[in-house]
Amino acid sequence: GAGVSQSPSNKVTEKGKDVELRCDPISGHTALYWYRQRLGQGLEFLIYFQGNSAPDKSGLPSDRFSAERTGESVSTLTIQRTQQEDSAVYLCASSLGPSGISKNIQYFGAGTRLSVL
Amino acid sequence: DAKTTQPNSMESNEEEPVHLPCNHSTISGTDYIHWYRQLPSQGPEYVIHGLTSNVNNRMASLAIAEDRKSSTLILHRATLRDAAVYYCILSPHTGANSKLTFGKGITLSVRP
Repeated sequence: GAGVSQSPSNKVTEKGKDVELRCDPISGHTALYWYRQRLGQGLEFLIYFQGNSAPDKSGLPSDRFSAERTGESVSTLTIQRTQQEDSAVYLCASSLGPSGISKNIQYFGAGTRLSVL
Repeated sequence: DAKTTQPNSMESNEEEPVHLPCNHSTISGTDYIHWYRQLPSQGPEYVIHGLTSNVNNRMASLAIAEDRKSSTLILHRATLRDAAVYYCILSPHTGANSKLTFGKGITLSVRP
């Protein structure tokens, strides 16, 4: 079956430009997460969407970062006025939902590798 | 959040068993122990999880200490494809936000 899909797979941009990263979760998964992974590091949580509830934005590093999700489908992560420190792999994950142990089994996309020159 | 500690790296020979340790001395009674792995240039993938009892699935086995302060991921027969970073993560069973807190994990190398 289809897994989590992210696009683009690679993005090179100039410092100061805005970028949009897209995530298509697994169909039927109500929870969606964005993480960032800098080179050689573990994953940093950015934001979490669950159904129609208000998203948990506690991991967003600055107000240049924002994310939206339409219902229980596609999500877009936007980074405005990109900086070189934003260079990283941005990973999206989805899971079934908030109830039971299944909520914590997350399925990840391959990520978008962002390079800010 | 309760933290986990893992060695930085481990080497194994192909077709031999591998035991990957994880310490989590501050684990709470409602924390599940999860293992994910990340192959090169890929997103993490779920491997296994458990609460108190040992667990087996098609990918691996999870052995949990009686006091739950440590656990071991067991790959019964390592293959070259198992070379990856393995993350041991605690995740509370309760609460709405299920974000996963990844450390640096343990890098497993498999020798042919």
